[in-house]
Amino acid sequence: AQKITQTQPGMFVQEKEAVTLDCTYDTSDQSYGLFWYKQPSSGEMIFLIYQGSYDEQNATEGRYSLNFQKARKSANLVISASQLGDSAMYFCAMRDISNFGNEKLTFGTGTRLTIIP
Amino acid sequence: DVKVTQSSRYLVKRTGEKVFLECVQDMDHENMFWYRQDPGLGLRLIYFSYDVKMKEKGDIPEGYSVSREKKERFSLILESASTNQTSMYLCASSFRNFYRGDQPQHFGDGTRLSIL
Repeated sequence: AQKITQTQPGMFVQEKEAVTLDCTYDTSDQSYGLFWYKQPSSGEMIFLIYQGSYDEQNATEGRYSLNFQKARKSANLVISASQLGDSAMYFCAMRDISNFGNEKLTFGTGTRLTIIP
Repeated sequence: DVKVTQSSRYLVKRTGEKVFLECVQDMDHENMFWYRQDPGLGLRLIYFSYDVKMKEKGDIPEGYSVSREKKERFSLILESASTNQTSMYLCASSFRNFYRGDQPQHFGDGTRLSIL
């Protein structure tokens, strides 16, 4: 069974500083994908970034990057130059792709990030 | 642009009522999902569907059923609502995943359901 652990229930960060949100995972699968989502107070879940277990480089999307350390089973999200609009819940999720056609995502419990002006 | 629309943002119902939550997507996605979100528990999958009239149970299907008569629409049904089904319900859709598994799920705005 897969499990995602996000150990930081809440974080407060000064505006313009970089932020690292922790995510560790547990799986026996060889092939898997890792996702990060942002959920503002309005409720919608916004897809941010994806990392495949066999991708050689860490994924980047604008100010978001994923610090993927396969041996340690961690997939931390890094937000550079934080902005007030980054205040939200952030969820890490994983999909097993060794089973062909598996569509299920397993989510962590989330981290609430608050950016302080 | 990707659009998943849930019929209500807020809904209040009484115990024992039959409750319908509707979700429509306009991206021609094969997959559709229903989750519930509770504080400290993250998102938990209730049901999903990978084709019209097809459905599979997720992690917490008890007390729920689903219907998918058309590709773009996926309905969640609470057969007899109970207070422990008070929660945030999120609908999502995606293309089928094949070799890379990198298709993200796209979510609606959520429905906050209160059962009194």
